[in-house]
Amino acid sequence: TQLLEQSPQFLSIQEGENLTVYCNSSSVFSSLQWYRQEPGEGPVLLVTVVTGGEVKKLKRLTFQFGDARKDSSLHITAAQPGDTGLYLCAGAPGNQFYFGTGTSLTVIP
Amino acid sequence: GAVVSQHPSRVICKSGTSVKIECRSLDFQATTMFWYRQFPKQSLMLMATSNEGSKATYEQGVEKDKFLINHASLTLSTLTVTSAHPEDSSFYICSARDSGADTQYFGPGTRLTVL
Repeated sequence: TQLLEQSPQFLSIQEGENLTVYCNSSSVFSSLQWYRQEPGEGPVLLVTVVTGGEVKKLKRLTFQFGDARKDSSLHITAAQPGDTGLYLCAGAPGNQFYFGTGTSLTVIP
Repeated sequence: GAVVSQHPSRVICKSGTSVKIECRSLDFQATTMFWYRQFPKQSLMLMATSNEGSKATYEQGVEKDKFLINHASLTLSTLTVTSAHPEDSSFYICSARDSGADTQYFGPGTRLTVL
């Protein structure tokens, strides 16, 4: 059983569509992070959410941390082909740092 | 910004040989480094947490005798894959925690191919 479950696992959409990726856990986190990874490269940090209920925006990306700090979501508005990649949530319940199961997004021109 | 390097970026080896991967924090001290393994189209799986000056903490299912981790200094951790086999072929990524800033930085990864 994974500590952080993401859904959906795979997502293929047309350019211009909206989408939401979910990250869920039964554990409480002091903070959660979202990363994006391109093939053959390391993950790149997009955002860190810290406060329950917090909403952060990064251009067309909106991140939300659940009130109970057990879940988070990433919403992309008007997706573009450049948004294609592997999206990962991550957090540290203790000294270890774990990644979610990942969501592979493909945006078709 | 803070940078973490990995060396080599790619390695191809024969089955049965050992391969060492280095992870360096270039401009900060890292008391903790993490090693991950990633298969195609999958997420990063934590293998072990490496603490400077002490033994690494391995995740369940990761063989400590096969994946040797040494964190001998505040800027260097090494992962040695011993007696590598084709099933060990994967993308290995390290990260280093900047204890001063409580921030984590990722290396660019090492692609290991075992023939």
